[in-house]
Amino acid sequence: EAGVAQSPRYKIIEKRQSVAFWCNPISGHATLYWYQQILGQGPKLLIQFQNNGVVDDSQLPKDRFSAERLKGVDSTLKIQPAKLEDSAVYLCASSLVITGELFFGEGSRLTVL
Amino acid sequence: GENVEQHPSTLSVQEGDSAVIKCTYSDSASNYFPWYKQELGKRPQLIIDIRSNVGEKKDQRIAVTLNKTAKHFSLHITETQPEDSAVYFCAAPPGGNTPLVFGKGTRLSVIA
Repeated sequence: EAGVAQSPRYKIIEKRQSVAFWCNPISGHATLYWYQQILGQGPKLLIQFQNNGVVDDSQLPKDRFSAERLKGVDSTLKIQPAKLEDSAVYLCASSLVITGELFFGEGSRLTVL
Repeated sequence: GENVEQHPSTLSVQEGDSAVIKCTYSDSASNYFPWYKQELGKRPQLIIDIRSNVGEKKDQRIAVTLNKTAKHFSLHITETQPEDSAVYFCAAPPGGNTPLVFGKGTRLSVIA
């Protein structure tokens, strides 16, 4: 069974530039999450989708972050403009049910200079 | 919102010894308590979880105990091996059916 796919794995940009990350969840998983993991910390939820609808985006900095999940499968997370403090690993995860195992992708490591 | 506190932040044990990591949570409605292991540069992976109707669950050298009254749950690793060295995260869902809130992690080092 294929796991959660993410790209790109690494991205280096300068502050005020924009960046986009892509995620393809495990087939059949209706729930998709984007987490931000800053070095030395636990993953922090940015947004949760159920199919193509947003369930929880209370911690998404909406002035610069946006995310969508078209057709209830793939998702993209965009940052525009990026700040230094956005340097982190962006983890996409999917699950069959909300209170069940999260399957994480390898993550996209963002460095903002 | 849910607050998940994890202790200790770092833990070093000799190979063969036991390791215990503890988490406390604040929302009494939380009903699912997983533990994730993250090796350096890799994705977090579930190693064990427990639901609120159970007090203890064991899987070979790994066990999780839950005390709902005190709102804490612990990860126990026995007969530790060098490959157990990683960062371990606990998590809990505030409100019971909501996305997981993760602890800050415990870096476990098993010294051969």
